[in-house]
Amino acid sequence: KQEVTQIPAALSVPEGENLVLNCSFTDSAIYNLQWFRQDPGKGLTSLLLIQSSQREQTSGRLNASLDKSSGRSTLYIAASQPGDSATYLCAPPKGCNFNKFYFGSGTKLNVKP
Amino acid sequence: GAGVSQSPSNKVTEKGKDVELRCDPISGHTALYWYRQRLGQGLEFLIYFQGNSAPDKSGLPSDRFSAERTGESVSTLTIQRTQQEDSAVYLCASSLVGARGAFFGQGTRLTVV
Repeated sequence: KQEVTQIPAALSVPEGENLVLNCSFTDSAIYNLQWFRQDPGKGLTSLLLIQSSQREQTSGRLNASLDKSSGRSTLYIAASQPGDSATYLCAPPKGCNFNKFYFGSGTKLNVKP
Repeated sequence: GAGVSQSPSNKVTEKGKDVELRCDPISGHTALYWYRQRLGQGLEFLIYFQGNSAPDKSGLPSDRFSAERTGESVSTLTIQRTQQEDSAVYLCASSLVGARGAFFGQGTRLTVV
């Protein structure tokens, strides 16, 4: 089984700050890692997908890095906005099933205007 | 369709009744997954379908849970003799073959009273 830990569990910041969300996982034999956001009462929205051969992936103000050997991934959010408020989930799969994800409890982010 | 569609969006049922939850994956996606998210907890993998291969049922919590998928289209998750601990949001995801990431539906919120 893949154990996933996300730190911090919750984060409250004023608008405009740059943020770092951390994810660690126990089984580094992964083909990819996906970051999602979850808004209250809604499903998951995919943010970034990093292949195991990549070290970074960027989308707008979001940048995700992957250090497979140490079992870590980091999501960097630049110039945070109130609309970024959500729970962020790191999801590494395990084994040869690329999308059989294991989820941590996530980081609940609140960006205050 | 444009995204993964789940129905119903909300379901309230009496303890002991059977329920069926439906998932319509993105057209062309051969892989389909069911996850469960209990209140305040992370997502738990339930079952995975890939083409005509035997499904991976390793996450189903009990024999009251079953799922079917017709070809590469609709899937139905059935919970028999529902219990209060079955109350959760049930999320479906689909993906293409390979490490290309998964796309989630909005979920079905099941409440067993």
